[in-house]
Formats: sequence, C-alpha cells, structure tokens
Amino acid sequence: EDQVTQSPEALRLQEGESSSLNCSYTVSGLRGLFWYRQDPGKGPEFLFTLYSAGEEKEKERLKATLTKKESFLHITAPKPEDSATYLCAVQNSGYALNFGKGTSLLVTP
Amino acid sequence: EAQVTQNPRYLITVTGKKLTVTCSQNMNHEYMSWYRQDPGLGLRQIYYSMNVEVTDKGDVPEGYKVSRKEKRNFPLILESPSPNQTSLYFCASSLGVTKNIQYFGAGTRLSVL
Repeated sequence: EDQVTQSPEALRLQEGESSSLNCSYTVSGLRGLFWYRQDPGKGPEFLFTLYSAGEEKEKERLKATLTKKESFLHITAPKPEDSATYLCAVQNSGYALNFGKGTSLLVTP
Repeated sequence: EAQVTQNPRYLITVTGKKLTVTCSQNMNHEYMSWYRQDPGLGLRQIYYSMNVEVTDKGDVPEGYKVSRKEKRNFPLILESPSPNQTSLYFCASSLGVTKNIQYFGAGTRLSVL
C-alpha cells in the first residue's frame, strides 16, 4: 500500500531563515510526485511535479528535489507570504493521487 | 479564466436530506476527482472519473455517488447524508492521468446535523 509521510507537521520560521520540508514515500511504480500549497479556506494550488530521482525544480524561493525514497521542499529566505500548508502527493502506476497530511508553515516577520 | 467551480461553497443540512454538490471545469480536462479533507487525515479521494461515463471509487466512496454525463461536469451526490460526512470537499480536474497535475476548486464546507 502506498504511503506518504510529511515532516515536520508544523514549522515556524523567522523571515529569512531557510529550511526544508520532507516528504517520505513508498509507492509501487512512481508515476510522479507533486507538491501543492494550500492557504486557509482555499483549494490546493499546484507547485511542482517531479518524475524521477535526481530531478529538481525551482520557483522563486522554493526548490523541490527527489530521491528514490523522499522529496524535499527547500525554502530559501522565506517571507511571511510563504506561510501556508504544503502538501505532497504521489501517483503510482494507477490513476489516483495519494496525499500526505501536510506541513503547516508559519513565517514571522 | 481557467477554473474549477464548485457550488455551493457552504452548506448546512440535516441527516437524511439528499444533496448534490456541483463541480464544473472549463479546461476541457478528461480527469476529474472528488476529495474530502478532514483535520489530521489530510486529503482523501472519494471518486474519480477518467472521462465521460467512466467513474471509479477512490479511498472513501461509502455514502457518496457521482456521475459524469458531460465532460465539464462532475457532481457529487449524498443520497442520505450523515454527520460523519461533515467535511471540507474539493473537486479537482486534470488534463489526463499520465501527468496528473490536478487543479482544485475552492472547496465546499458541508455540515450535516
């Protein structure tokens, strides 16, 4: 059975304090790993897709990386507007996305 | 503007009173899906549809029905809602299943009393 575990559950950072969020997964035949951002009361917003180990994607202060067992979302010099819940999801050889429970990030000024 | 639209956004109902939550997308996406999100449990898939007239169960389908008669619409039906179906519901769509980048609606917060 596919499993997606995100850590930490919650993270509080000072503005400018870089850190990483972790997504560990077990999946039969990884078709893709996805990162989403979710703001309170809103639907998840797509950030990145990674398809194979060694792949990296960047967008502004965010960088996602992938190994055979885990993915990291690196946040460089975060700003308060980066505060949100970050969700990781994996797609196996089937059609469904299996989501982790998310990391709630708070960036304080 | 490309979007997934859910209605209603908020709904309070009573046990046993049938309800439908509508979902519509304007991106000509083939794949559509319904999720529920509960504190501590994350997003769990209820049903999905790979194309018109093709639907399948997700992880938590009990108590729900869906239909896909048109490509753009994918309503979620609760025939006899119960309090354990109180949750935040999201509809999502994607171009296909190979690269399943899903675009989510704004959510429907349902309370069943």
